[in-house]
Amino acid sequence: DAKTTQPTSMDCAEGRAANLPCNHSTISGNEYVYWYRQIHSQGPQYIIHGLKNNETNEMASLIITEDRKSSTLILPHATLRDTAVYYCIVRGGQNFVFGPGTRLSVLP
Amino acid sequence: NAGVTQTPKFQVLKTGQSMTLQCAQDMNHNSMYWYRQDPGMGLRLIYYSASEGTTDKGEVPNGYNVSRLNKREFSLRLESAAPSQTSVYFCAGRSYRDSGNTIYFGEGSWLTVV
Repeated sequence: DAKTTQPTSMDCAEGRAANLPCNHSTISGNEYVYWYRQIHSQGPQYIIHGLKNNETNEMASLIITEDRKSSTLILPHATLRDTAVYYCIVRGGQNFVFGPGTRLSVLP
Repeated sequence: NAGVTQTPKFQVLKTGQSMTLQCAQDMNHNSMYWYRQDPGMGLRLIYYSASEGTTDKGEVPNGYNVSRLNKREFSLRLESAAPSQTSVYFCAGRSYRDSGNTIYFGEGSWLTVV
């Protein structure tokens, strides 16, 4: 599975869009990009995933570059409850490998 | 968390004691996983089971055993607990029914070994 690189931490003002980047330059053609988040010490929560096309659901949007070497998770209107650690994962095989993620702090 | 239940939620053990963490899922997941998470770190895979009756080692299997007796249940056993095994343990399940096969986690089990 390809490795991912994310910033250690980010801040975002409440009500603004939060854009979380992820680099996965070694991604291969059959590997999906997943995003999860973990609030406090709860179990990680699935947000969204995609292969090539941009994806949107009720929680977020996922923008994948045309060469698939990077992606951005967008929370369109961040709230205080979105403060969490966000994990970008690339998976092609059986396992989900979690890195340290990005700690997003939504500020009032 | 999509029907993945872990027990117990909290446990304190003495060094050398044994215990089993139980995980059960009601979402017909094919694969099941055990991860551990230490303070300030990401999750690390201990063991996984791709299907009933099969298990495979993950990144940090030493000191643990697992059992997948049926499709619903995947247990994690510490035969002789050590302080280094103090951690939060997460069980997860994955189904093959949807594109990309997302993974769903339980709420975690907090284990302290003194």
